[in-house]
Amino acid sequence: EDQVTQSPEALRLQEGESSSLNCSYTVSGLRGLFWYRQDPGKGPEFLFTLYSAGEEKEKERLKATLTKKESFLHITAPKPEDSATYLCAVQPPRGDFGNEKLTFGTGTRLTIIP
Amino acid sequence: NAGVTQTPKFQVLKTGQSMTLQCAQDMNHEYMSWYRQDPGMGLRLIHYSVGAGITDQGEVPNGYNVSRSTTEDFPLRLLSAAPSQTSVYFCASYAGVFNTEAFFGQGTRLTVV
Repeated sequence: EDQVTQSPEALRLQEGESSSLNCSYTVSGLRGLFWYRQDPGKGPEFLFTLYSAGEEKEKERLKATLTKKESFLHITAPKPEDSATYLCAVQPPRGDFGNEKLTFGTGTRLTIIP
Repeated sequence: NAGVTQTPKFQVLKTGQSMTLQCAQDMNHEYMSWYRQDPGMGLRLIHYSVGAGITDQGEVPNGYNVSRSTTEDFPLRLLSAAPSQTSVYFCASYAGVFNTEAFFGQGTRLTVV
């Protein structure tokens, strides 16, 4: 069974204090790993897709990296507007229906203190 | 483009009542899904569709029905609401297997009493 574990559950940082969020996964033949941002009362918002170990993607203060067992979301010099819950999801190999069964982690709730 | 639109935003049901959560997208996406989000559980897939007329079950399908008569719409039906179905429901869509950036609706917060 595919599993996704995110850590820590919650993280409080001072504005400008860089850190990393972790997403570890167990899935046979990963097709893609996704990062989403979710603000309170809103739906998840797509950030990145990573497909292979060693791949990196960046967007403003965020950088996502992928290894064979985990992914990291690095946040550099965060601002209060980066406060949100960050979700990780994995997509297994394609099956008969394209296998759209994304498995999500429970998220990391990030708070940036001004 | 409105993206993915869910209605209603909030709903309170009595145990045993039925209702339909609406989801519509205007991006001509083939793939649509329904998730529920519960504290400490993450998003869990209820049902999904890979095109009009084609649906399949996800991880937690019991108590829910779906149909996909058009590309745009993917309603979720609760047949006989139970307190265990109290949750936040999200609809998502994306273009296809080679374009997996999913767009989510704003969610429907459902309470069953």
